[in-house]
Amino acid sequence: GAVVSQHPSWVICKSGTSVKIECRSLDFQATTMFWYRQFPKQSLMLMATSNEGSKATYEQGVEKDKFLINHASLTLSTLTVTSAHPEDSSFYICSARAGVYEQYFGPGTRLTVT
Amino acid sequence: AQSVTQLGSHVSVSEGALVLLRCNYSSSVPPYLFWYVQYPNQGLQLLLKYTTGATLVKGINGFEAEFKKSETSFHLTKPSAHMSDAAEYFCAVEMGSSNTGKLIFGQGTTLQVKP
Repeated sequence: GAVVSQHPSWVICKSGTSVKIECRSLDFQATTMFWYRQFPKQSLMLMATSNEGSKATYEQGVEKDKFLINHASLTLSTLTVTSAHPEDSSFYICSARAGVYEQYFGPGTRLTVT
Repeated sequence: AQSVTQLGSHVSVSEGALVLLRCNYSSSVPPYLFWYVQYPNQGLQLLLKYTTGATLVKGINGFEAEFKKSETSFHLTKPSAHMSDAAEYFCAVEMGSSNTGKLIFGQGTTLQVKP
């Protein structure tokens, strides 16, 4: 089946720094990727939709200047958390759309901000 | 606006017993509904989906779900639980009315399978 990878799987950063998370579709091209955030013991919340070659669209309440998304190629989308703070600590999950109803999820990246 | 509610954050069954995970949705348009499973340290994996057509949907690993419009439900079942079924299960509905791909997830249900 289709595989989506994320890198890194776990990152610890200091408050005020920025961290970049990569999402790659390994064996298919994805014109659309999605970024979700999952708090412990809670559900996934959609943050933004990333379309190759265009600006990402953000869900209501998500700060676009804080969570920078770039979808530079059909196999790579990146999420940069800028000026991270402890409240940004979370599990970030991406998914890549392979077809009309087919969407594949990455294993997630755990961000801890100290 | 759409929403999803999963009844029961934790379900425990014995191996070989029926698995029933409940999901109710709210949607003003015909919904696209999904069940995903999440194993530790792995990405979400699609179990099954309902878009149109037959309301009883069969998925992988012996799971199935029935779309009941009158009850706004999409419960997930499996006749006989295996130890390997222990995982987190998420019900989801697609946002909007035009195949957006954006998903709204329920709170998740942890399935425990006892030997």
